[in-house]
Amino acid sequence: GAVVSQHPSRVICKSGTSVKIECRSLDFQATTMFWYRQFPKQSLMLMATSNEGSKATYEQGVEKDKFLINHASLTLSTLTVTSAHPEDSSFYICSASDRTQAFFGQGTRLTVV
Amino acid sequence: QQQVKQSPQSLIVQKGGISIINCAYENTAFDYFPWYQQFPGKGPALLIAIRPDVSEKKEGRFTISFNKSAKQFSLHIMDSQPGDSATYFCAASMRTGGGNKLTFGTGTQLKVEL
Repeated sequence: GAVVSQHPSRVICKSGTSVKIECRSLDFQATTMFWYRQFPKQSLMLMATSNEGSKATYEQGVEKDKFLINHASLTLSTLTVTSAHPEDSSFYICSASDRTQAFFGQGTRLTVV
Repeated sequence: QQQVKQSPQSLIVQKGGISIINCAYENTAFDYFPWYQQFPGKGPALLIAIRPDVSEKKEGRFTISFNKSAKQFSLHIMDSQPGDSATYFCAASMRTGGGNKLTFGTGTQLKVEL
């Protein structure tokens, strides 16, 4: 299957700082990328959908000013958690999609201390 | 509103047995039904997927059964192995222009015992 690389896999940051997570589709052009958040033993919760070159569409209840998404090219999307707080600690997963299938990155474990 | 319901929440199966996980959906516009396998600390990996024009799809030990009229689909894992122990998610999507926005089930934690 297609490869989606997500980096970093783990990050610890101090409260109040910002963290950037990268998601790259390595062997295909992703027309759409999705960002999910997952709490322990729970399902994936969609945060936002982004198409290359346009603004991301955020799900209800997700703060767009806190979770900044940039989809600069057909192979790269970034999620920046701004002014992080301990309650932002979670597992963040990106997904890249062509017109037929969605492929997931390996996830990023964010811990805010 | 949860559009994809998944059961059971957890499942314990003996090695060599059959694991069965069920999902039901509400939106008849869904036209793509994948199953994902997720190990702790990792992203989900696509296991097998089906479109509504077929009733069954088999890939190795994994089979999807699809019942369009009942709006249900299930994953069968034959000859279950300890290495299959993971969390399984069903999902559904519509092929909107430019991507697959997935709606996930709540997940099933499978444990295969020796």
